[in-house]
Amino acid sequence: DSGVTQTPKHLITATGQRVTLRCSPRSGDLSVYWYQQSLDQGLQFLIQYYNGEERAKGNILERFSAQQFPDLHSELNLSSLELGDSALYFCASSPHPGQAWNEQFFGPGTRLTVL
Amino acid sequence: ELKVEQNPLFLSMQEGKNYTIYCNYSTTSDRLYWYRQDPGKSLESLFVLLSNGAVKQEGRLMASLDTKARLSTLHITAAVHDLSATYFCAVDMGNFGNEKLTFGTGTRLTIIP
Repeated sequence: DSGVTQTPKHLITATGQRVTLRCSPRSGDLSVYWYQQSLDQGLQFLIQYYNGEERAKGNILERFSAQQFPDLHSELNLSSLELGDSALYFCASSPHPGQAWNEQFFGPGTRLTVL
Repeated sequence: ELKVEQNPLFLSMQEGKNYTIYCNYSTTSDRLYWYRQDPGKSLESLFVLLSNGAVKQEGRLMASLDTKARLSTLHITAAVHDLSATYFCAVDMGNFGNEKLTFGTGTRLTIIP
């Protein structure tokens, strides 16, 4: 158990809908990262937040957005869902972004199925 | 754009044998990570390699990093069934605000009794 929690574990929804995925980082970690894992795209970085502010953006679609709240938990919002958005979404957190030792610890993931 | 390549993609090996997984990356970086993933599960951190020549070992797994060649290897010694999983290497650029991990394609390892 990495200490990173994600809810829900599974989510089944229909095309066109909107969902919110939630992540709580390890205690003391200020940085949160979101990744998407799909069969065709592999593991891809989506976005990073550090202490409430967006820090880096990857291949995140405009239909997707995220935020990090004052208590450091983060939410990833996916809207106008398409079949191709079906994937495993991971959240990771790290204690020392920018330091030589900055390991990312991954949560259990949320499996999203869009029907 | 940073690219990370792993090979082989699939590896089926007998128990007791040795093998090596290779990870090549395209841009200078001193930070490389190895993760293990069981089917449908999360990513478990195995090794963090931070400098040229770094070598780390844990049980039957040993990882090394050659930053000049932009190459890392994950060596499996005397494989056992419990090592069956998908192994990913990942690289980040190491500077604040650019710690996103770029992952390799993964190597699906199957250990056959």
